[in-house]
Amino acid sequence: NAGVMQNPRHLVRRRGQEARLRCSPMKGHSHVYWYRQLPEEGLKFMVYLQKENIIDESGMPKERFSAEFPKEGPSILRIQQVVRGDSAAYFCASSPTVGQGLYEQYFGPGTRLTVT
Amino acid sequence: AQSVTQPDIHITVSEGASLELRCNYSYGATPYLFWYVQSPGQGLQLLLKYFSGDTLVQGIKGFEAEFKRSQSSFNLRKPSVHWSDAAEYFCAVAPTGTASKLTFGTGTRLQVTL
Repeated sequence: NAGVMQNPRHLVRRRGQEARLRCSPMKGHSHVYWYRQLPEEGLKFMVYLQKENIIDESGMPKERFSAEFPKEGPSILRIQQVVRGDSAAYFCASSPTVGQGLYEQYFGPGTRLTVT
Repeated sequence: AQSVTQPDIHITVSEGASLELRCNYSYGATPYLFWYVQSPGQGLQLLLKYFSGDTLVQGIKGFEAEFKRSQSSFNLRKPSVHWSDAAEYFCAVAPTGTASKLTFGTGTRLQVTL
């Protein structure tokens, strides 16, 4: 069973460009979470999605950031008009649908975004 | 709001020595508790978790953690550290009863000397 997949692993964007980060959850998982890790800091929650629904976006910046998890395909975290402060590692996690496993989140390897 | 405190930013231990990493949480009830490990440039791997029941939980790689309700703590321990344990360790909490976001501590970086 493949783990959580994220791509690209490294992404370089110039200020003002758009960044698209993709996350494919583990097979059988329908819950996806996005976290951001700034240098020398812990992970901060951004958004929690189920298929076609945003459940909790309380950690998402109000502007320039959006997330989706369509019925088919990976979850996408989109950052418009990137700024240097967006440089960070972005991690996706997924969890199963039912049972106690619902509360366990499995993390992908992350996408390291560098804004120049 | 819930919060997690890991008071030790950096710990150095000798290989073969015992290890204890501290974690304290602030939450209205007993949350679900987790320890994750992150190797440099890698994602997070779940070491162990506590939902309910026995307060001493066993995890992978020889780690264990003890939940102490009176102290709001969930400290991670290992009797004998290996050089490969050098990594960053994160304690995290989540509300009980529903799938939800994790709140992480700031992490403890473990260095192992030979």
